[in-house]
Amino acid sequence: DADVTQTPRNRITKTGKRIMLECSQTKGHDRMYWYRQDPGLGLRLIYYSFDVKDINKGEISDGYSVSRQAQAKFSLSLESAIPNQTALYFCATSDFGTSGSNEQFFGPGTRLTVL
Amino acid sequence: AQTVTQSQPEMSVQEAETVTLSCTYDTSESNYYLFWYKQPPSRQMILVIRQEAYKQQNATENRFSVNFQKAAKSFSLKISDSQLGDTAMYFCAFMKHERSDKIIFGKGTRLHILP
Repeated sequence: DADVTQTPRNRITKTGKRIMLECSQTKGHDRMYWYRQDPGLGLRLIYYSFDVKDINKGEISDGYSVSRQAQAKFSLSLESAIPNQTALYFCATSDFGTSGSNEQFFGPGTRLTVL
Repeated sequence: AQTVTQSQPEMSVQEAETVTLSCTYDTSESNYYLFWYKQPPSRQMILVIRQEAYKQQNATENRFSVNFQKAAKSFSLKISDSQLGDTAMYFCAFMKHERSDKIIFGKGTRLHILP
């Protein structure tokens, strides 16, 4: 089974709709992240969380909100979706320090299209 | 603020050849981590190789190796004996050696391995 899962994998929605993307992990990591990938722009950080009570904005947080329901779950919401939020969204986890690796483990991505 | 630059948006090489992907970064930090991630057509993000800035020895992972030039702030990826399965988007990434920091990605290089 995958260590980091995202649901849904693909979603088409309309402008103005509320959308929630969910992420779950079984790696036991404290840190979780949401990224957005656009062609030619690489991955950009939306929000990140170092534990359930520690949530921080990334470089492109406007129009998004998050919820860390538990150590293993981190959800991204678009309160009122707009077409320029059409992108590939990735959730990632990492465990800083204990192993020294600082590797981020990514989910499979969610392709979101806003019409 | 840290930045990561990948100057080659797209490259093509013949199977079995060696290819080098370029990456430069800008930071005032002395200790940090650098990564190369691979994103094949499946869109999964996969860690290829990792380098810690305080280590002078260049990291290697099978056919993948890096040329880390700390003074020049350069971190290139060499793929030897390239294979069709190496066709992917490759992202260079930077992270400060601090618990509170996150990864900054370059915009990526699309690599095509030709049969």
